Amino acid sequence: GQQLNQSPQSMFIQEGEDVSMNCTSSSIFNTWLWYKQDPGEGPVLLIALYKAGELTSNGRLTAQFGITRKDSFLNISASIPSDVGIYFCGASGGSNYKLTFGKGTLLTVNP
Amino acid sequence: DSGVTQTPKHLITATGQRVTLRCSPRSGDLSVYWYQQSLDQGLQFLIQYYNGEERAKGNILERFSAQQFPDLHSELNLSSLELGDSALYFCASSVGAADNQPQHFGDGTRLSIL
Repeated sequence: GQQLNQSPQSMFIQEGEDVSMNCTSSSIFNTWLWYKQDPGEGPVLLIALYKAGELTSNGRLTAQFGITRKDSFLNISASIPSDVGIYFCGASGGSNYKLTFGKGTLLTVNP
Repeated sequence: DSGVTQTPKHLITATGQRVTLRCSPRSGDLSVYWYQQSLDQGLQFLIQYYNGEERAKGNILERFSAQQFPDLHSELNLSSLELGDSALYFCASSVGAADNQPQHFGDGTRLSIL
């Protein structure tokens, strides 16, 4: 089946640093989504990407839909303590037409 | 607040029992999705309903079933519960049935099997 390989699994950074995480797959997708999950809550949609090569920003967050349609990255600039959480990539439009998620990147920001 | 409401927030029960989890989608959303989240498996898609009809099925066990009612709320029924069913169960909703539409998640139901 389709799998998304999300990396890194976890990151420990200092406040103010920039962060980058990515998802790759051997399958082609039509949509990439990035979510953040805080403890005890459901995933919250951060950015949605619909076109290969598309670069979209949401405040300090920037995400890109890879040109090959097999990958996407998320960057967070000037991290702050409230950026702590688990970030998930999701992709859809593959052969099984379901939204598939990566296993998440746990981000810890030290003040 | 995503607008998706899930009840109950927590559920503790014993093996062999049956439970029902409830979800109210965002106003205007016709699709409801159910996911299971465990530490080692991440977010696993279970099933999707669109406007009352089953639309897509994922890794849902035969002991689990779901339905979507005319008012668009959905219920996930889990029966003959096993220890391994302990997990977070999330409901999400989207406007349409297409898989490229962003899904909005509720805060989940934490199910603990003792």
